[in-house]
Amino acid sequence: GDSVTQMEGPVTLSEEAFLTINCTYTATGYPSLFWYVQYPGEGLQLLLKATKADDKGSNKGFEATYRKETTSFHLEKGSVQVSDSAVYFCALGGSQGNLIFGKGTKLSVKP
Amino acid sequence: GAGVSQSPSNKVTEKGKDVELRCDPISGHTALYWYRQSLGQGLEFLIYFQGNSAPDKSGLPSDRFSAERTGGSVSTLTIQRTQQEDSAVYLCASSRRADTEAFFGQGTRLTVV
Repeated sequence: GDSVTQMEGPVTLSEEAFLTINCTYTATGYPSLFWYVQYPGEGLQLLLKATKADDKGSNKGFEATYRKETTSFHLEKGSVQVSDSAVYFCALGGSQGNLIFGKGTKLSVKP
Repeated sequence: GAGVSQSPSNKVTEKGKDVELRCDPISGHTALYWYRQSLGQGLEFLIYFQGNSAPDKSGLPSDRFSAERTGGSVSTLTIQRTQQEDSAVYLCASSRRADTEAFFGQGTRLTVV
């Protein structure tokens, strides 16, 4: 069945460091891909999305490109801030219409 | 309403009792999802509704768990004979379609004592 695999955390970075969180997927067809973020004490919210191959989603300095050939949707940011500390979830819109999440990656950014 | 509303926000129940968790999605959203998030864990998919039907019930952990959705709107997740391992935050989300943004409620924190 459809599934999402993302890198295990936690990830600890210094402020202004480069961030990559890997995400790969297994799916039938061409699903939509998402990154959601959960800030401490808050609910999940959409960070960015891409609906077809080679699309790039971007928001708040974060980017992810839908790579069909490698079935990947890695999240990147060139310079992280302390305020980016959160749990990041990769997700896909499954073939049955459901929404499937990875296990989440906790990011801590130190000043 | 303005967002996805879940009630109660917190529930403490005794082991063996039944509980009902309610989700009120955003008006017009046909897709509704239930997830469970245990402390320090990721999102565990429970069930998905498209309208009133549930194409995917594969995530329900046992036959003690059931869910329904009526009128294409409010959904109720019922856990019978609760166990301590059922303690978690239960999250509900809704979206217009599976390929559009899902909006999450604040969750119901269930504690079974």
